[in-house]
Amino acid sequence: ELKVEQNPLFLSMQEGKNYTIYCNYSTTSDRLYWYRQDPGKSLESLFVLLSNGAVKQEGRLMASLDTKARLSTLHITAAVHDLSATYFCAVDISGGTSYGKLTFGQGTILTVHP
Amino acid sequence: DAGITQSPRYKITETGRQVTLMCHQTWSHSYMFWYRQDLGHGLRLIYYSAAADITDKGEVPDGYVVSRSKTENFPLTLESATRSQTSVYFCASSSVHEQYFGPGTRLTVT
Repeated sequence: ELKVEQNPLFLSMQEGKNYTIYCNYSTTSDRLYWYRQDPGKSLESLFVLLSNGAVKQEGRLMASLDTKARLSTLHITAAVHDLSATYFCAVDISGGTSYGKLTFGQGTILTVHP
Repeated sequence: DAGITQSPRYKITETGRQVTLMCHQTWSHSYMFWYRQDLGHGLRLIYYSAAADITDKGEVPDGYVVSRSKTENFPLTLESATRSQTSVYFCASSSVHEQYFGPGTRLTVT
């Protein structure tokens, strides 16, 4: 059974600090997604990582993928209050030429304090 | 409007009733998905579809039925609702490199 585990599940940060969210998964996949969810809202796509060594950055967020270690990281630089949300990683387990069948981590609830 | 929509957005029903949640996308994506979101579980895949008339089970399919007669629609039916099916349901469609989620349906079974 595929497991996708995020660490930590709860993260309280001070504004201006850096931190990393980890996403470990237990099966082979070279396609991983990061999403953001605000309370009561849908999921917003942040990053799609499609190969080993992929690194993507947008603003204060940077995501990377190591398929050999089955690990993805979401790094937050100089956190601001607007980043407070729940962050999910999701692994595509479709295989072959199929796509989109995702298994999600439990989510990391991030709270940024002044 | 282009995108993916779900209806209803909120639904309260009684145990044993049949409920259908609707999902419509305007991109003509081949792949569509239904997930449920519960506290402590993240999102879990219920059913998915690779094309019209092609559907398959996900991780938690019991108690649900899907159909897909047209590419743009993917309804999810709870044949006899139970309290354990109280959840937020998200429909999604995928291009090759991106998955787009609908706004969600909050379902309460009393």
